[in-house]
Amino acid sequence: QSDLTQPASVSGSPGQSITISCTGNSSDIGGYNYVSWNQQHPGKAPTLLIYDIANRPSGVSTRFSGSKSGNTASLTISGLQAEDEADYFCTSYTSRSPVVVFGGGTRLTVL
Amino acid sequence: QVHLVQSGAEVKKPGASVKVSCKASGYTFSANYVHWVRRAPGQGLEWMGRINPNSGSTNYPQKFQGRVTMTRDMTTSTAYMELSGLRSDDTAIYYCARAVPGGSTWTGFDFWGQGTLVTVSS
Repeated sequence: QSDLTQPASVSGSPGQSITISCTGNSSDIGGYNYVSWNQQHPGKAPTLLIYDIANRPSGVSTRFSGSKSGNTASLTISGLQAEDEADYFCTSYTSRSPVVVFGGGTRLTVL
Repeated sequence: QVHLVQSGAEVKKPGASVKVSCKASGYTFSANYVHWVRRAPGQGLEWMGRINPNSGSTNYPQKFQGRVTMTRDMTTSTAYMELSGLRSDDTAIYYCARAVPGGSTWTGFDFWGQGTLVTVSS
């Protein structure tokens, strides 16, 4: 069981937008702006999409965006493409130990 | 181009120690924290700690205090994670990951090693 709650799966059609949520509490997501999102294709190392809630590393498509409301962070992918089919997980800083916690991951299927 | 290359798979007996290496290239090794994360079979990701390569200072979660040691070798741009007192539930894939430049240093891991499978079995 992971510290942050993500839906197990989401799906969407090419061109659509989808949002993946990551829910924590006031000790982690609600208390700090240190949430990141990674994408991972099967058998590959994770790649960073978003850090510190809404920042994109250089080279990451503007189709990926992040936000936060209360204890929930969200990753939105617009203009879905076939290559977006992958697993996505969130990471947050927390005041508890361990100070870094992860979501359980969400499998995105592009229909 | 940034690369983190980890050492190969290990098989250890209960009670033994394992030391995993993570060789960095393509950037200034001293500039970014290196974190260690593991995933046990069927489990989620678990944070094991981090090291500041510049100072050598470390942060470990309570769960691993006394059992994990993170070090670095500046001459080879290599980070190490040693876990002692191995148990069967330490069987996992262990990853090193770099904290993204300009980020919080706690989250936002932009480059990851390929992972090292550590199997603990008698």
